[in-house]
Amino acid sequence: AQKVTQAQTEISVVEKEDVTLDCVYETRDTTYYLFWYKQPPSGELVFLIRRNSFDEQNEISGRYSWNFQKSTSSFNFTITASQVVDSAVYFCALSEAPGGGNKLTFGTGTQLKVEL
Amino acid sequence: KAGVTQTPRYLIKTRGQQVTLSCSPISGHRSVSWYQQTPGQGLQFLFEYFSETQRNKGNFPGRFSGRQFSNSRSEMNVSTLELGDSALYLCASSFLGSYEQYFGPGTRLTVT
Repeated sequence: AQKVTQAQTEISVVEKEDVTLDCVYETRDTTYYLFWYKQPPSGELVFLIRRNSFDEQNEISGRYSWNFQKSTSSFNFTITASQVVDSAVYFCALSEAPGGGNKLTFGTGTQLKVEL
Repeated sequence: KAGVTQTPRYLIKTRGQQVTLSCSPISGHRSVSWYQQTPGQGLQFLFEYFSETQRNKGNFPGRFSGRQFSNSRSEMNVSTLELGDSALYLCASSFLGSYEQYFGPGTRLTVT
């Protein structure tokens, strides 16, 4: 069965620091998708990125970057020059597509607190 | 483009009652999934619907059920409510095959 582990329960940083959120996954499938979602205090999950198992290219979007390494089953997320607005809970998730459809297995989340 | 909408946003029910939650997906999205979020169990998949058919089901008891209508709107029902059903229920929609799910604001259910 699939599993997603986010070992960091809570991280506190000072604004403008860089921070990396770790995600390790387990799956027997060769085809799967990995995701990161942000959940601000309002509660709505905000989609950040989707990466399929055949694409190990790192991705950068503004201050956000993602490092996917199949060899270590990791999909880490880095925020550069963090801001107070980045404070939220961040979830890593796995979908064993296509057979698993849209069923997402989530990690337990990492609470990020960015302080002035 | 309007996002996923869920109604009601907040709900208080008594143990033993039943409840129905509603979800309207983003226009054009035909896949709708439901998730339960609790402090103890985290985010857990309930079920997914596409074209009025259940495609996938999580490990929840039969008290949890759902359906989807021809306009892709979905409802989930929980019968014989238990205290442990208190949770944030999130609905997500997507285009079939895109695997990018967009979530609604959730319905906060409190069972007393």
